[in-house]
Amino acid sequence: KAGVTQTPRYLIKTRGQQVTLSCSPISGHRSVSWYQQTPGQGLQFLFEYFSETQRNKGNFPGRFSGRQFSNSRSEMNVSTLELGDSALYLCASSWDATPFPQYFGPGTRLLVL
Amino acid sequence: GQQVMQIPQYQHVQEGEDFTTYCNSSTTLSNIQWYKQRPGGHPVFLIQLVKSGEVKKQKRLTFQFGEAKKNSSLHITATQTTDVGTYFCAGPNNNNDMRFGAGTRLTVKP
Repeated sequence: KAGVTQTPRYLIKTRGQQVTLSCSPISGHRSVSWYQQTPGQGLQFLFEYFSETQRNKGNFPGRFSGRQFSNSRSEMNVSTLELGDSALYLCASSWDATPFPQYFGPGTRLLVL
Repeated sequence: GQQVMQIPQYQHVQEGEDFTTYCNSSTTLSNIQWYKQRPGGHPVFLIQLVKSGEVKKQKRLTFQFGEAKKNSSLHITATQTTDVGTYFCAGPNNNNDMRFGAGTRLTVKP
């Protein structure tokens, strides 16, 4: 079974721009969660989607948003990028909603200049 | 809110030595999960513990869940260079989203 895939893998943007990241979960998985990973803050929960509905949202500003499609694929969007948004963005899928075990994708490394 | 604290932050061992990382929560957890992230990689699920006092083993790795379901540990016997990476614990908070510990970075000297 194919693992979680994320596109793009690397991205360079400038301040003020917006970005959309994509995640394709493992086939059959209905839950997708997004995390931001930085050296200073570790793994921070962004949000979780299950059956196209946002179940939970972490403590991030409204510039961070996401959605899930009927095929469970998910996208997250960050508008008005700031330098501090530079991070590794990880998507994780699970068969059912949290707290089922999560399977992470390779991540999208975003650099904001 | 619920926090998951993990110690130590770093651990450097000689190959063949044992290693332990500890995870503590401010609240009772319904379950706890452990993940491993190799350098340059992404977190990989290792195990989930659900029952009070539960102990599970995976080859040289031993996972424990405390009786009060507020703490957990991961012990590696006779470390190998392949054990290098960062080990994270994670538990669901009151909103049922996963909160990860800061991780313990393990380095192994051959």
